[in-house]
Amino acid sequence: DIVMTQSPDSLAVSLGERATINCKSSQSVLYSSNKKNYLAWYQQKPGQPPKLLIYWASTRESGVPDRFSGSGSGTDFTLTITSLQAEDVAVYYCQQYYNTPYTFGQGTKLEIK
Amino acid sequence: QITLKESGPTLVKPTQTLTLTCTFSGFSLSTSGVGVGWIRQPPGKALEWLAVIYWDDDKRYSPSLKSRLTITKDTSKNQVVLTMTNMDPVDTATYYCVRSSSGGGTYSPFDYWGQGTLVTVSS
Repeated sequence: DIVMTQSPDSLAVSLGERATINCKSSQSVLYSSNKKNYLAWYQQKPGQPPKLLIYWASTRESGVPDRFSGSGSGTDFTLTITSLQAEDVAVYYCQQYYNTPYTFGQGTKLEIK
Repeated sequence: QITLKESGPTLVKPTQTLTLTCTFSGFSLSTSGVGVGWIRQPPGKALEWLAVIYWDDDKRYSPSLKSRLTITKDTSKNQVVLTMTNMDPVDTATYYCVRSSSGGGTYSPFDYWGQGTLVTVSS
């Protein structure tokens, strides 16, 4: 199984500031034939199901604000939220879909400082 | 508009079998590249992928739970059913039905989620 490890476990950021969440996979999720990273980011607000934010490591899902961006390749990935808004308070998960079993990180709880 | 909705018992006893049904609309599970799966989340904990079934009836399971899981589809009814045998209190979780759609390509993320159903395992 590919193990996904996120850091930090929790994060407090002031409104308007930048939040950065890291995700590391135990093996590369970069598919050599198409040069795509099989890595997604989800946002889960309290009492709600997760919502897909980013796929292919850096492609924003339709309707996701452009303050959310994803970067990285191979085994190291980053979700960045520029200019944090109050509605961004949530738990964020990375997930690899390179192969089964699909696996998620343990989650990063983002709060307002 | 794509929707998925989970249904099933909210309470099961230890050793019983859980049967969950996902009823979806807005897409077809006979379309190339489409898959419907299940993910669970124990209270206050992280997400755990359980199983997925694809348009071509390819089925994949979590290795740690494979012996207890069965996933099937009824394309005509737009339903996917997950059964989990020998339920234990540690299986208490919210169970989500999810869709993936690769457009006929390789694996893809979960772009639509149901609201989830909380299943409690207790005697």
